[in-house]
Amino acid sequence: QLQLQESGPGLVKPSETLSLTCTVSGGSISNPNYYWAWVRQPPGKELESIGAIYYTGSAFYNPSLKSRVTISVDTSKNQFSLKMRSVSAADTSVYYCATLGTSGNYHSLYWGQGSLVTVSS
Amino acid sequence: DIQMTQSPSTLSASIGDRVIITCRASQSPDSWLAWYQQKPGKAPILLIYKASTLESGVPPRFSGGGSGTEFTLTISSLQPDDFATYFCQQYKTNPFTFGPGTKVDL
Repeated sequence: QLQLQESGPGLVKPSETLSLTCTVSGGSISNPNYYWAWVRQPPGKELESIGAIYYTGSAFYNPSLKSRVTISVDTSKNQFSLKMRSVSAADTSVYYCATLGTSGNYHSLYWGQGSLVTVSS
Repeated sequence: DIQMTQSPSTLSASIGDRVIITCRASQSPDSWLAWYQQKPGKAPILLIYKASTLESGVPPRFSGGGSGTEFTLTISSLQPDDFATYFCQQYKTNPFTFGPGTKVDL
């Protein structure tokens, strides 16, 4: 069974770059049956998809965030990462990494426990 | 974007009750709709995908239905472990959007 674990700073200053990494265990990130995704949830609010990446490096993003976000994959480390530039208080959220299926089955079966990132000076 | 709404936003229920949560989409996601359960401080758990397919290991008291732009999650007999918030999600079109959630409490 896949396990996902987020890691990264819990506090980021406004206008700086948020960086998170998700480490995958219990399986290979090169598994062709999954995309690797980031989802966030502001405190007390609904979930928001950020984007996802395939092990080949092919990625897609939420158009509302695309200009500020990059998702990358490192197959040698079984990790994928999120970088979000020019953050503001509105980006304060719990950030989850998760799997998506393929061939239209883009529901999320496996999730990390979540990482709270606060944007504040 | 496909906008998702849910009703009710909060639902008060008792053990053994039949509970129905409704999710509406601004455009049809076809059957590309999932339901998740989330408890405070925890990651979501997938319950239903493709509108009506029960994820492995999820109790059969959960069921999903609907088509077009209106979908339902039914809990046939509410159990103590079911008090949580439930979200729907469409995954037909990027961005994959979630509903605002329905909190089920006593």
